[in-house]
Amino acid sequence: NAGVMQNPRHLVRRRGQEARLRCSPMKGHSHVYWYRQLPEEGLKFMVYLQKENIIDESGMPKERFSAEFPKEGPSILRIQQVVRGDSAAYFCASSPLRTSGRDNKRTGELFFGEGSRLTVL
Amino acid sequence: AQKVTQAQTEISVVEKEDVTLDCVYETRDTTYYLFWYKQPPSGELVFLIRRNSFDEQNEISGRYSWNFQKSTSSFNFTITASQVVDSAVYFCALSEISGYSTLTFGKGTMLLVSP
Repeated sequence: NAGVMQNPRHLVRRRGQEARLRCSPMKGHSHVYWYRQLPEEGLKFMVYLQKENIIDESGMPKERFSAEFPKEGPSILRIQQVVRGDSAAYFCASSPLRTSGRDNKRTGELFFGEGSRLTVL
Repeated sequence: AQKVTQAQTEISVVEKEDVTLDCVYETRDTTYYLFWYKQPPSGELVFLIRRNSFDEQNEISGRYSWNFQKSTSSFNFTITASQVVDSAVYFCALSEISGYSTLTFGKGTMLLVSP
């Protein structure tokens, strides 16, 4: 049972280029989350997607960043015109959605991929 | 608003010492989840534990133990008889139960275990 797959593991871009990071969730998971880890920092939530829908993008920078999770294929985080400050590790996580018996609210465990490390020269 | 504070930036111990990593959180929700993740030098995130806010029973798993104190909003993590392989950055995280699992992470504590 494959885990969350991210590629590329390492990506080097020059300022102004585009970066595309891909994430294939675990089998059976239809919820994908992207987190960013800046150097010396914890992970920060960026965006939450379900198939063909963006549910919460409150953590996404307003410009240059976009994410999608098409009906077929992996989720993609796209960064246009990268700058040095975009250098970070980008983690993808996936989740099934299941009902919690205790309080009847839905919650899901997150399974993280190994991350994609973007370096902007 | 939710917040997770890991006041210890870096801890150095010698092998076989016990070490406790502190985690203090803030949330307005009455039900929530708390997590610990390990990030070894290789960079991946390794899930260690998830704890429900309505279950204050402490948990032990081998050399790892967790002390959840709702009264002080703390969820501390203790490694007994530390080993070199425990060297990593450890993250505490909080998830409010609001329909999906957006995690708020602390900044992490780097643990260095020397032989």
